[in-house]
Amino acid sequence: SAVISQKPSRDICQRGTSLTIQCQVDSQVTMMFWYRQQPGQSLTLIATANQGSEATYESGFVIDKFPISRPNLTFSTLTVSNMSPEDSSIYLCSVSRDVDSGANVLTFGAGSRLTVL
Amino acid sequence: AQSVTQLGSHVSVSEGALVLLRCNYSSSVPPYLFWYVQYPNQGLQLLLKYTSAATLVKGINGFEAEFKKSETSFHLTKPSAHMSDAAEYFCAVSNSGGYQKVTFGTGTKLQVIP
Repeated sequence: SAVISQKPSRDICQRGTSLTIQCQVDSQVTMMFWYRQQPGQSLTLIATANQGSEATYESGFVIDKFPISRPNLTFSTLTVSNMSPEDSSIYLCSVSRDVDSGANVLTFGAGSRLTVL
Repeated sequence: AQSVTQLGSHVSVSEGALVLLRCNYSSSVPPYLFWYVQYPNQGLQLLLKYTSAATLVKGINGFEAEFKKSETSFHLTKPSAHMSDAAEYFCAVSNSGGYQKVTFGTGTKLQVIP
């Protein structure tokens, strides 16, 4: 299965600043997904990033706040813009890896833990 | 739209005791169901998946889950808990065709008491 590296693993940020999270996959993948994991809440899909096209955002998430780049089949970035304490969370990059069963089985990176002061 | 409900945000069991983590799903179409495990400071890993084949699914580390359509449940079990099973467990659902968006439950933290 794919190996996913995320950077930074954690960061402490000031209110009003922006931070870009990088996701590198060791193999080419069509679809990459960005999730947010807030304490006590379920993982929430932010957007799906396909190479060569605009990311598809889920309800409640907008491109101005969470711009995503997908320059090639092994790399993506998620930027959290104009951060507030409510953005403190773990952000996870994931890819689909299961083709045998046809199911969308996800492989995840270790996550990026952001704390906004 | 699909959803999953995990009963109990925290579950404690003694080492060697039965592990039972509950998950109920809601789906208007035949679902695919998953259990993922997350160890501290790591990403989620797939434990097992149900994709409309056998209703009793065996996964890694001795875990298994049974798909019960009549009860809309997909509970995770392990006969004998080990200290290394302490982690957070997430149930997830997707539809079985087309674009398969995966929706996760809120997670259950399993504590294993020596």
